[in-house]
Amino acid sequence: NAGVTQTPKFQVLKTGQSMTLQCAQDMNHNSMYWYRQDPGMGLRLIYYSASEGTTDKGEVPNGYNVSRLNKREFSLRLESAAPSQTSVYFCASSDPYQPQHFGDGTRLSIL
Amino acid sequence: DQQVKQNSPSLSVQEGRISILNCDYTNSMFDYFLWYKKYPAEGPTFLISISSIKDKNEDGRFTVFLNKSAKHLSLHIVPSQPGDSAVYFCAAYGGNNNDMRFGAGTRLTVKP
Repeated sequence: NAGVTQTPKFQVLKTGQSMTLQCAQDMNHNSMYWYRQDPGMGLRLIYYSASEGTTDKGEVPNGYNVSRLNKREFSLRLESAAPSQTSVYFCASSDPYQPQHFGDGTRLSIL
Repeated sequence: DQQVKQNSPSLSVQEGRISILNCDYTNSMFDYFLWYKKYPAEGPTFLISISSIKDKNEDGRFTVFLNKSAKHLSLHIVPSQPGDSAVYFCAAYGGNNNDMRFGAGTRLTVKP
């Protein structure tokens, strides 16, 4: 009964390093999302994928890229990490006009 | 451009009393609204939703009210319990984009 699985759970990077956050869902949802959560800012949408093969920018896409690898998997890449990208990252999936299901988050610190 | 706003960062109520959490939105194209609950170190979990064709939806102790003309929704929890202590996010969906926008969250503390 996995739902949405995010890896890794924690990561510390140095400024300028790159990394990819992985997300997989087993609910056959069409849409997948990446959010970041910062104190006082709530959940801000980085990118989303309405269906396999499509991706669109959200509110805060700068510094990130995404890949919808297949219907199950949606990855988020930081090409050159910056301290401003220190955050908790959540992946979610859903079908249109249905509640989103979230993973437990990836805590990312960039020094 | 924050399209969904929760103006109260925190709320404290006594066990057994009513908790009222508020949310405002600016995009008139939103037509589906949700509330999520979040505990520390976990992802948000869905609580209750409402479509724009309704003005009220109930699920046990939780009721969501929607006032479309005021672009305002609220979540009522009656009676409040200590286990309800969490951060509550309001979210809205619809319009030209197939995405969901969230408010900043309200931290609810229910005191025994």
